[in-house]
Amino acid sequence: AQRVTQPEKLLSVFKGAPVELKCNYSYSGSPELFWYVQYSRQRLQLLLRHISRESIKGFTADLNKGETSFHLKKPFAQEEDSAMYYCALKPANTGKLIFGQGTTLQVKP
Amino acid sequence: NAGVTQTPKFRILKIGQSMTLQCTQDMNHNYMYWYRQDPGMGLKLIYYSVGAGITDKGEVPNGYNVSRSTTEDFPLRLELAAPSQTSVYFCASSLPDVGYTFGSGTRLTVV
Repeated sequence: AQRVTQPEKLLSVFKGAPVELKCNYSYSGSPELFWYVQYSRQRLQLLLRHISRESIKGFTADLNKGETSFHLKKPFAQEEDSAMYYCALKPANTGKLIFGQGTTLQVKP
Repeated sequence: NAGVTQTPKFRILKIGQSMTLQCTQDMNHNYMYWYRQDPGMGLKLIYYSVGAGITDKGEVPNGYNVSRSTTEDFPLRLELAAPSQTSVYFCASSLPDVGYTFGSGTRLTVV
């Protein structure tokens, strides 16, 4: 079965603390993985895709095929990072995305 | 370049009523999608389309219908609204190897 699991509904940290949003996936082939972010009252937008290996707004994510994980990390959280974060999987040969349940990140001052 | 435009932004329906959620994109994207977002459930795919004249069911299609007569438009139809269809609906579009562009969403309440 193709599935994305984000085990934390809410992650609350203080400003300046490191952040790790967990994402695990279930997929038999080579996955393409994404992180999307939804700031308050805004539309979802692409944050990262694993094949580009970029760092966006200080966030990085590494695909670990052995652990089937794609955790999102940032060394020093900022208050403006507070948002809902979704991990998503794109199976091969399809445009469809399978989303996880989402994690709300709350960065406290 | 407006991206993906959804209308209306909010709507309250009575049980049994019907409505159409509109979605238009101006990026000439082949692929278009409808998702619903429920608290704690993430986004679930309702229907998708890989091009004009082609549509297919997603994970939760029951109670919905779509059409894709042009590349730009992908309306979602609710025929007999039920309380279980209370949700936030997102339309998105993409090219095959590019991330999605989302609309701003439609918040629907069925009472």
